[in-house]
Amino acid sequence: DIVMTQGVLPNPVPSGESASITCRSSKSLVYKDGKTYLNWFLQRPGQSPQLLTYWMSTRASGVSDRFSGSGSGTYFTLKISRVRAEDAGVYYCQQVREYPWTFGGGTKLELK
Amino acid sequence: EVQLVESGGGLVQPGRSMKLSCAASGFTFSNYGMAWVRQAPTKGLEWVATISYDGSSTYYRDSVKGRFTISRDNAKSTLYLQMNSLRSEDTATYYCTRVGYSGYWGQGVMVTVSS
Repeated sequence: DIVMTQGVLPNPVPSGESASITCRSSKSLVYKDGKTYLNWFLQRPGQSPQLLTYWMSTRASGVSDRFSGSGSGTYFTLKISRVRAEDAGVYYCQQVREYPWTFGGGTKLELK
Repeated sequence: EVQLVESGGGLVQPGRSMKLSCAASGFTFSNYGMAWVRQAPTKGLEWVATISYDGSSTYYRDSVKGRFTISRDNAKSTLYLQMNSLRSEDTATYYCTRVGYSGYWGQGVMVTVSS
């Protein structure tokens, strides 16, 4: 199975600052079509997960351009610019390169 | 408006069975693969199973293989998860989600396995 390992944020993050969340995979997530099958989700307290980005860097519909995904085949970053109160929650990376799909353990973002 | 509404959860004893349903609306259900993802209390997300748009292909995590069955009724726009031989470690909120990049998830249904 592909293991997804997420980093920790130095919480709390001051409102208006930027935050970068890291995720590492135990195997390259680049498929033969050239796409990188890495998703980012935000789960706010008491809510279902919300898809933020897919194919490593493509924002999902309706997602603010303050969220940007980047990375290589095995190392990924979700950058949140100008952090706001509604960005608080737990962020998860997920690989859908192969079954079983696997998630990272989550990274909590708290705001100051 | 796309909606995914799970039902069928509750308290069940270890070793017993339970069937979850997910009623879909607002899109052509038969065009999309669907999946179940679960989240144990205070824990992270865990993928459970996926089914193709026509039901011809299914995939499971190892810990539920042979115990859980994902299925669908495209005429009823409904996704199912039959869970047999339930264990305490299956206790979680179960979400149904549409496969793909639209990001549609249900609100989740709680399953508690306990005597």
